Amino acid sequence: DVKVTQSSRYLVKRTGEKVFLECVQDMDHENMFWYRQDPGLGLRLIYFSYDVKMKEKGDIPEGYSVSREKKERFSLILESASTNQTSMYLCASIKVRDSPGTNEQFFGPGTRLTVL
Amino acid sequence: EDQVTQSPEALRLQEGESSSLNCSYTVSGLRGLFWYRQDPGKGPEFLFTLYSAGEEKEKERLKATLTKKESFLHITAPKPEDSATYLCAVRDFNKFYFGSGTKLNVKP
Repeated sequence: DVKVTQSSRYLVKRTGEKVFLECVQDMDHENMFWYRQDPGLGLRLIYFSYDVKMKEKGDIPEGYSVSREKKERFSLILESASTNQTSMYLCASIKVRDSPGTNEQFFGPGTRLTVL
Repeated sequence: EDQVTQSPEALRLQEGESSSLNCSYTVSGLRGLFWYRQDPGKGPEFLFTLYSAGEEKEKERLKATLTKKESFLHITAPKPEDSATYLCAVRDFNKFYFGSGTKLNVKP
């Protein structure tokens, strides 16, 4: 079974703090993604990475940065947390080879972040 | 503009009352349409992938179908444990676009 794990299920931080969310996958997937999920807005892509040290901006990258130093690990960084970054954060991964059965994204359990 | 639109936003069914959820999409280079189930406070769980119009996939009480512009998730004789939010996503090259989901509530 593919396993995508996230460092915390729940996190409470204060405005202005630097926040690190970590994601690890154990299936040698090339592509990894960070989303945030808010009621009524669905999942929105923050950043994705298609290889070590490679990253691309998603639809809402402002206020976030990412790091991918190892293939299995993809970190999301909030440089200075703000209350509007309170959300559910979901990490996902996928194998890049485009063949049936390997195209779906596998998700982690999510991190519920509250910024006070 | 919206890439993926799901309807209805919420659906309440009695146990055993069959129905369908809709997902309409507008992407140029479709490389798969995906259905996920999401329980409260958890990450989405993969259900189906569909690649081409006319394709169908089944799993227990769920059946997914695909046309050139939309997909349906048919739920036959649902049970309370089918209550969840169902998400639809489409892949366009390297990106995935998600709908807002349909929240299904099945009453015993």
